[in-house]
Amino acid sequence: QQPVQSPQAVILREGEDAVINCSSSKALYSVHWYRQKHGEAPIFLMILLKGGEQKGHDKISASFNEKKQQSSLYLTASQLSYSGTYFCGTDTGTASKLTFGTGTRLQVTL
Amino acid sequence: DAGVIQSPRHEVTEMGQEVTLRCKPISGHDYLFWYRQTMMRGLELLIYFNNNVPIDDSGMPEDRFSAKMPNASFSTLKIQPSEPRDSAVYFCASSLATQRQFFGPGTRLTVL
Repeated sequence: QQPVQSPQAVILREGEDAVINCSSSKALYSVHWYRQKHGEAPIFLMILLKGGEQKGHDKISASFNEKKQQSSLYLTASQLSYSGTYFCGTDTGTASKLTFGTGTRLQVTL
Repeated sequence: DAGVIQSPRHEVTEMGQEVTLRCKPISGHDYLFWYRQTMMRGLELLIYFNNNVPIDDSGMPEDRFSAKMPNASFSTLKIQPSEPRDSAVYFCASSLATQRQFFGPGTRLTVL
């Protein structure tokens, strides 16, 4: 079953922060985050393994709560280049494959 | 490093025709994935291979779809016969073990 992302869409002014959530009905082994710009392929952002770790990458970070089967992506001081659709991909650990979420469209404006 | 290579980038065909999409994964990667992306259904996994062996094809919509990986550097996704509802962007991705997936540029398929 496809993980659910929220919000579906968000518009930010440059410099504002945003949080994107990913929720699964299944126990998770890992969560992957990708960003896709219009007309392009998804690009990898980060992987979080079960253990509740939090990862950071410039001004983009993420957390993974395996008990709640949820992950959140944090974008701080957003830049115009952050615009795109963000997908979480969940891995239940049994089949080595990802199931991608519904996507969150993020638009950063001046 | 050339990345994942897909061809053709765009394909326009008529209903009933056979369509073959091609993918060259990153050298050394042992997993290859085929995805389909549409506005309605998002990014769906169709099939994936590990060391050239199909592992899970549960996402293949119907028997009109088939995929092969004859060697570590080449895979094909074939649709025969094609239908208008097959119109979508098809992505191929590869990875080393279950690490990050690298996506190809995609093939935009239009079936008239």
